[in-house]
Amino acid sequence: YDLTQPPSVPVSPGQTASITCSGENLGNKDVSWYQQKSGQSPVLVIFQDNVRPSGVSERFSGSNSGNTATLTISGTQTMDEADYYCQVWDTSAVVFGGGTKLTVL
Amino acid sequence: QVQLVESGGGLVKPGESLRLSCAASGLTFSDYYMSWIRQAPGKGLEWLSYISGSGSTIYYADSLEGRFTISRDNSNNSLYLHMSSLSVDDTAIYYCATDYGASYFFDNWGQGTLVTVSS
Repeated sequence: YDLTQPPSVPVSPGQTASITCSGENLGNKDVSWYQQKSGQSPVLVIFQDNVRPSGVSERFSGSNSGNTATLTISGTQTMDEADYYCQVWDTSAVVFGGGTKLTVL
Repeated sequence: QVQLVESGGGLVKPGESLRLSCAASGLTFSDYYMSWIRQAPGKGLEWLSYISGSGSTIYYADSLEGRFTISRDNSNNSLYLHMSSLSVDDTAIYYCATDYGASYFFDNWGQGTLVTVSS
């Protein structure tokens, strides 16, 4: 099973960033999203398509329908600049997307 | 809070073996599925293996071709990854991560341990 993400997404400070993750019938699976800042370990920011773990900013939200899941970051801040990975469980295996570098210009 | 500390990484030669450890604290370890995930330099995340809380259920990525073995010691709150027949392609940071309740997402990650395979 393959998950496809755009390699990079630019966004201006204060604007909304949308990072997509595409896969066959992805809407039938639970999608999680991770943020990884430079030199740090990944951090879970969304699970089960649209649930935020405790401590994650309300500016992060998720959706999943059809073949595409989307991580949305509203009011993007410079601190949000990071790599973002989507992830699912499929047929006894974990699958990660290739990652998207969010650049806050 | 949950803390995961990986160890055992280092420089090894192609063909050699290595065992990684992950020490967990701040949780009831046996309640958690655990995974190993790696990240090659400048690359994305690659899942390697999953083990249930009791150790009775184990999954591996097909790409490993049987070279890696995951195990756990709940009495010592520890997770292990034994790696054999290492190649330069196994050079990566290796992370352990928790999954509470077999939800198949990872809510806590360690800081990682670097494995370098080079002659």
